[in-house]
Amino acid sequence: YVLTQPPSVSVAPGKTATMTCGGNNIGSKSVHWYQQRPGQAPVLVVYYDNVRPSGIPERFTGSNSGNTATLTIGRVDAGDEADYYCQVWDSSSDHVVFGGGTKLTVL
Amino acid sequence: EVRLAESGGGLVKPGGSLRLSCAATGFTFSNAWMHWVRQAPGKGLEWIGRVTDKIYGETTNYAAPVNGRFTISGDASKNTVYLQINSLRTEDTAVYYCTTEGLRVGATTLDFWGQGTLVTVSS
Repeated sequence: YVLTQPPSVSVAPGKTATMTCGGNNIGSKSVHWYQQRPGQAPVLVVYYDNVRPSGIPERFTGSNSGNTATLTIGRVDAGDEADYYCQVWDSSSDHVVFGGGTKLTVL
Repeated sequence: EVRLAESGGGLVKPGGSLRLSCAATGFTFSNAWMHWVRQAPGKGLEWIGRVTDKIYGETTNYAAPVNGRFTISGDASKNTVYLQINSLRTEDTAVYYCTTEGLRVGATTLDFWGQGTLVTVSS
């Protein structure tokens, strides 16, 4: 199973960043999103398509339908600059699958 | 507080072997599913494999590129999960992370991560 993410997204401070994750009928799977700041370990920011772990700001929202899952970050600031990865569990192989990651740049 | 601490990385020659450790605290290790994920320099995250808990038979599953060379095991008496890597190749150079699955939130989520240990394969 293959997940496709755009390599980069740029957004101005205060605006909304939208990052996509494409996969065949991904809407039938649960999608999780991770934020990885430079030099740090990944952190789970959204799970089960649209649920935020405790401590993650409400600005982070997710959706999933059809062949595309989306992570949206509202009112972006410099602290959101990071790589973002989507992830699913492929039941046919019992494997975890990551997308290639999207680098979010705050202009 | 959940903490995962990887160790055992370093510089290894091609063809060599290495055993990475991940010491876990702050949760009941024997009930946890543990994964290893790696990240080559400047690249994305790559799932390596997983070991289930005792209830599920401590079964393992591996990504195709590492199957047969990598082995994941756990020692509940030491709250530690291991990754044995054999026949190392230059393309195995990466930071290796251990993670928990579904400890805080639901199944299939990798919800806690260690800080990683760097493995460099070079002659």
